[in-house]
Amino acid sequence: AQSVTQLGSHVSVSEGALVLLRCNYSSSVPPYLFWYVQYPNQGLQLLLKYTSAATLVKGINGFEAEFKKSETSFHLTKPSAHMSDAAEYFCAVSDPSGGSNYKLTFGKGTLLTVNP
Amino acid sequence: EPEVTQTPSHQVTQMGQEVILRCVPISNHLYFYWYRQILGQKVEFLVSFYNNEISEKSEIFDDQFSVERPDGSNFTLKIRSTKLEDSAMYFCASSVGGSHYNEQFFGPGTRLTVL
Repeated sequence: AQSVTQLGSHVSVSEGALVLLRCNYSSSVPPYLFWYVQYPNQGLQLLLKYTSAATLVKGINGFEAEFKKSETSFHLTKPSAHMSDAAEYFCAVSDPSGGSNYKLTFGKGTLLTVNP
Repeated sequence: EPEVTQTPSHQVTQMGQEVILRCVPISNHLYFYWYRQILGQKVEFLVSFYNNEISEKSEIFDDQFSVERPDGSNFTLKIRSTKLEDSAMYFCASSVGGSHYNEQFFGPGTRLTVL
């Protein structure tokens, strides 16, 4: 079964600093990978997704993620944090070996705080 | 911009009571999902629904749970006899098609508290 590990339940950065949120997955078959963001009192919003095209994926709000098969990782980065980036971030996978089961398997989430 | 909506935002119920959580998916979407997140734990898949029937369900989705699309817009999750451990945030999601790369659009969630 697929699993997703997000290292660090809470990451704190200064405004303008690099954001790095880590995600590792376990799968013998490269899955489809997603990063979602959740702002307070809102639903999960898709930031970006990897679907086996380019390994470097650009998303909304200046975020990007790189798929590294050798490391089974899909870390999320942003060069310069903004106060508005403060939110909870979830990494998720969809396993193509699951046939028509399109469920997403989520990590536990990383809460990002941005200090002025 | 179209969005998934959920009502109520917060539901408090007594153990053993039935609850119905409601969702309105995006209008041209065909696949519907329920997930839940117990406080401090991962978001977990419960069930997916397509063409008026369950397409997949997790082991969490036992006989106490049911889903329904009673009309052309609503998608509901019913818990027949709630337990304390059903307390969680419940998210509804929908996608336009069935594939592993289609984005699932999530609603804001319903926080269910079972006393």
